[in-house]
Amino acid sequence: DIVMTQSPLSLPVTPGEPASISCRSSQSLLHGRGNHFFDWYVQKQGQSPQLLIYWGFMRASGVPDRFSGSGSGTDFTLKISRVEAEDVGVYYCMQALQTPYTFGQGTKLEIK
Amino acid sequence: EVPVVESGGGLVQPGGSLRLSCAASGYTFSSYWMHWVRQVPGKGLVWVSRINTDGTVTNYADSVKGRFTISRDNAKSTLYLQMNSLTVEDTAVYYCGRDLGGREGYWGQGTLVTVSS
Repeated sequence: DIVMTQSPLSLPVTPGEPASISCRSSQSLLHGRGNHFFDWYVQKQGQSPQLLIYWGFMRASGVPDRFSGSGSGTDFTLKISRVEAEDVGVYYCMQALQTPYTFGQGTKLEIK
Repeated sequence: EVPVVESGGGLVQPGGSLRLSCAASGYTFSSYWMHWVRQVPGKGLVWVSRINTDGTVTNYADSVKGRFTISRDNAKSTLYLQMNSLTVEDTAVYYCGRDLGGREGYWGQGTLVTVSS
């Protein structure tokens, strides 16, 4: 199975400041079609996960442009340019290259 | 309109069975691979199973292989998860997911399965 390792696991951020979460996979997530099968999700309190970024860098519909995804191969990063109070939640990375799909441990973003 | 809505969760004794359903609406259900993912409350996400668009390809996590069966009825726009031989370790919120790994990924609100005597 592909192991996904996120860091940090806890991320206190001051509103208006940037934030960054890293995710490393145990093998490359590059598919033969040229895309990375890699998503970022956020799960807010009491809710189901919501898609933020797919293919490693594409923002999902309706996601604010303060969220951006980057990376390739085995190393990926989610950046929030200016954190807002509504961004509080647990952020997960997920690989969809092969089954079983696997998730990172989750990064809990909180407001300072 | 919510794209997917799960149902069928509840309390079941160890060794028992339960069938979860996921009703889709507002989009062409038959065009998407569908998934089940579970989450023990307060813990992380664990992928359970997936099925292709016409139901001919299925995959399972090792932890449920041989006990759970994923299926779909495209005429009814509904996804199912038949869960047999349940154990306390299967206790979790079960989410139905559309197109995980794709541009239209979406998760339902989940249904809680509690396995307890």
